[in-house]
Amino acid sequence: GIQVEQSPPDLILQEGANSTLRCNFSDSVNNLQWFHQNPWGQLINLFYIPSGTKQNGRLSATTVATERYSLLYISSSQTTDSGVYFCAGGIGTGGTSYGKLTFGQGTILTVHP
Amino acid sequence: DAGVTQSPTHLIKTRGQQVTLRCSPISGHKSVSWYQQVLGQGPQFIFQYYEKEERGRGNFPDRFSARQFPNYSSELNVNALLLGDSALYLCASSRGQLGTYNEQFFGPGTRLTVL
Repeated sequence: GIQVEQSPPDLILQEGANSTLRCNFSDSVNNLQWFHQNPWGQLINLFYIPSGTKQNGRLSATTVATERYSLLYISSSQTTDSGVYFCAGGIGTGGTSYGKLTFGQGTILTVHP
Repeated sequence: DAGVTQSPTHLIKTRGQQVTLRCSPISGHKSVSWYQQVLGQGPQFIFQYYEKEERGRGNFPDRFSARQFPNYSSELNVNALLLGDSALYLCASSRGQLGTYNEQFFGPGTRLTVL
């Protein structure tokens, strides 16, 4: 199966700083998602982005499918951005399932006031 | 619209017992997937069901089984519980399997503790 590597594993910021999280895949993926996991364990969808660039408020993401990596940008960070960020990818072939997501180990983000 | 719901939220069992976890997908979603997340790691894929058929299985022992009902809700069963089965069990639903229909949305999880 595919391997997903996230970096950095930990990130500590002051409120207002910008950050970039990276996700590398060992193989091409058809499905790529970024999530934020809150302290209660809920995975919150940030982006569905198998290719291209998307923006949502202070967050944006870029996936370069041909080079098998994705980046998540957080600008003007706030304390509420703290938590664990996961990227996850999946491969589907023919008519078979695209449903399996392989997750990275996550980036633990801490934003101090 | 209601999101993915899971029950129960917390569960404590002893080794050797059996457990059933339940998941209701977002209305209109036909695919349900199950994941196990142990502390400090990313979720790991267990099963996917689409239109009531198993479409994918992760690297888990046969003690783990699942099914999907005609209303697209799903159950995950784990037999002969081991201490190592203690984890957060997450259910995800998606509209289908193709393109953007495959975007997965997760429920709040069931936290299982095996003593």
